Amino acid sequence: NAGVMQNPRHLVRRRGQEARLRCSPMKGHSHVYWYRQLPEEGLKFMVYLQKENIIDESGMPKERFSAEFPKEGPSILRIQQVVRGDSAAYFCASSPPSTTSSGNYTFGSGTRLTVV
Amino acid sequence: GENVEQHPSTLSVQEGDSAVIKCTYSDSASNYFPWYKQELGKGPQLIIDIRSNVGEKKDQRIAVTLNKTAKHFSLHITETQPEDSAVYFCAAHSGGYQKVTFGIGTKLQVIP
Repeated sequence: NAGVMQNPRHLVRRRGQEARLRCSPMKGHSHVYWYRQLPEEGLKFMVYLQKENIIDESGMPKERFSAEFPKEGPSILRIQQVVRGDSAAYFCASSPPSTTSSGNYTFGSGTRLTVV
Repeated sequence: GENVEQHPSTLSVQEGDSAVIKCTYSDSASNYFPWYKQELGKGPQLIIDIRSNVGEKKDQRIAVTLNKTAKHFSLHITETQPEDSAVYFCAAHSGGYQKVTFGIGTKLQVIP
């Protein structure tokens, strides 16, 4: 079991470019969550997805950010027209489908986005 | 929504001493409280968790306590070792299809 796989590990983008971050959940997990971690700060919730559905996007900025979890393939967090303030570590977590264990997260190693 | 407060934000202890990190939560519906350890450059890893029907849980040198009435929960690490140095996050979950809410994190430094 490979765990939660995120790629790339490091991503450098110039201001105005697009960033695409990928997350493959653990085998058997159907819930995916994206969190952002700024330097010296905690984990801020962004979005919660199940296959082909966005369940909670209350933490997503209203503009430039979007997320999807298609029927086939990884979950994608997309940031359009990146700005320096988007520089952060982005973590994906997944959890089992059962509601009694949906809080039991397994995290990936994160993607560290640097906007130059 | 849920709000989780965590303190202290930084903690330095001598090797062999104990470390205690405290958290409070706001949503009385929360019933699952995991703790994560994040080492430098890595993702958070679950180290211990507790459910609301339990007051205390222990796993070797780490223990968690939960006071549902006061909405407090704590992490205790005994006989600390340098490899315990990391950032520790508390979290709360209210069950069902809800997100986990994290505290701000505590940077623990164990001085050899």
